[in-house]
Amino acid sequence: EAGVTQFPSHSVIEKGQTVTLRCDPISGHDNLYWYRRVMGKEIKFLLHFVKESKQDESGMPNNRFLAERTGGTYSTLKVQPAELEDSGVYFCASSQRERGELEQFFGPGTRLTVL
Amino acid sequence: RKEVEQDPGPFNVPEGATVAFNCTYSNSASQSFFWYRQDCRKEPKLLMSVYSSGNEDGRFTAQLNRASQYISLLIRDSKLSDSATYLCVVNEPVQGAQKLVFGQGTRLTINP
Repeated sequence: EAGVTQFPSHSVIEKGQTVTLRCDPISGHDNLYWYRRVMGKEIKFLLHFVKESKQDESGMPNNRFLAERTGGTYSTLKVQPAELEDSGVYFCASSQRERGELEQFFGPGTRLTVL
Repeated sequence: RKEVEQDPGPFNVPEGATVAFNCTYSNSASQSFFWYRQDCRKEPKLLMSVYSSGNEDGRFTAQLNRASQYISLLIRDSKLSDSATYLCVVNEPVQGAQKLVFGQGTRLTINP
């Protein structure tokens, strides 16, 4: 079974540009999450989708970040315009609803560098 | 105060040694607790869940003390392959949601 995949693996952009990150969860997983780790800090929650609905977006830093999950399959996270402090590793995770352990499976992450 | 606090290390121990990590969490309403392992430049992977009764998986033992809001991980007979960052993770109790709160991680290096 394929795991969570993310694209691109790396992105280097200039301040003010736009970047879109993509996450494909494990097939059949209703729950999809975005997290990020900025340099020297812990991994922090950004938001949680259940199917196509945003269940919790309390971790989104500001309105420059927009996440979508049209059709309840893959998700995109757009940063527009990017700022220097947005640099970090963006992880996506998915989990299966109704499953006892509720384990979240993480993708390999997208390393974003804003110059 | 951070929601989940860990000693960042680094811990450098010889192969075969026993090593223990500790973690405290601030939200007394938290219900689920985990240890994740993260290798360099890789994604976090679940190592084990932590239960009130304590649980063991091979060389790994996890303990939870709800009264003290304290979680521990013990690794016995450490192997070179145990070198990684160990993340203490708590599931924040948000209705209908599963929001993981991570500690900063404890870096472990096992030396031959």
